[in-house]
Amino acid sequence: KQEVTQIPAALSVPEGENLVLNCSFTDSAIYNLQWFRQDPGKGLTSLLLIQSSQREQTSGRLNASLDKSSGRSTLYIAASQPGDSATYLCAVGGSGAGSYQLTFGKGTKLSVIP
Amino acid sequence: EPEVTQTPSHQVTQMGQEVILRCVPISNHLYFYWYRQILGQKVEFLVSFYNNEISEKSEIFDDQFSVERPDGSNFTLKIRSTKLEDSAMYFCASSTGRKAFFGQGTRLTVV
Repeated sequence: KQEVTQIPAALSVPEGENLVLNCSFTDSAIYNLQWFRQDPGKGLTSLLLIQSSQREQTSGRLNASLDKSSGRSTLYIAASQPGDSATYLCAVGGSGAGSYQLTFGKGTKLSVIP
Repeated sequence: EPEVTQTPSHQVTQMGQEVILRCVPISNHLYFYWYRQILGQKVEFLVSFYNNEISEKSEIFDDQFSVERPDGSNFTLKIRSTKLEDSAMYFCASSTGRKAFFGQGTRLTVV
């Protein structure tokens, strides 16, 4: 059974700092990996998707990497802003027949202090 | 960007009552999902639906739960007899088999 762990559980940084969020998973036979952002009481906003054959994806100030063999992904946020404050979720996609269900980590709660 | 739409945003129900949560997935997507998130816990997979049938379900998705795609656009989750522990945020998602798009969720409160 796939298990996804995110470290740290919470992180507080001053505005402008670069930061790295970590995600690890136990079964390397994944289909893809997605990073999501969740604001309090809200839905999930997809940030980046990395297919299993890819090593990294970039969108603006965000860069996600994937090392399937070691079961790790990182989300790098450059020049953090107060608006980046949210919970960041890592989700690993399986590839069962007719399903691409996601297994989520518990998230890293990020606070960016102005 | 296209969106997954869920209604209602919040529902309060008495224990033992039936509830139906509704979702409109993105129109050209083929895979549909329900997930739930109990307050303070991980988002958990409930069920996936493809080609008009359940393709996979978790151990959470017992006989109290059912899903339906009654027409070409809606996708529903029914909980037959709600329990206090069913209180959670329920998310609908859809995909083409790659990126999953999530709705804003329905907060279900069972009292």
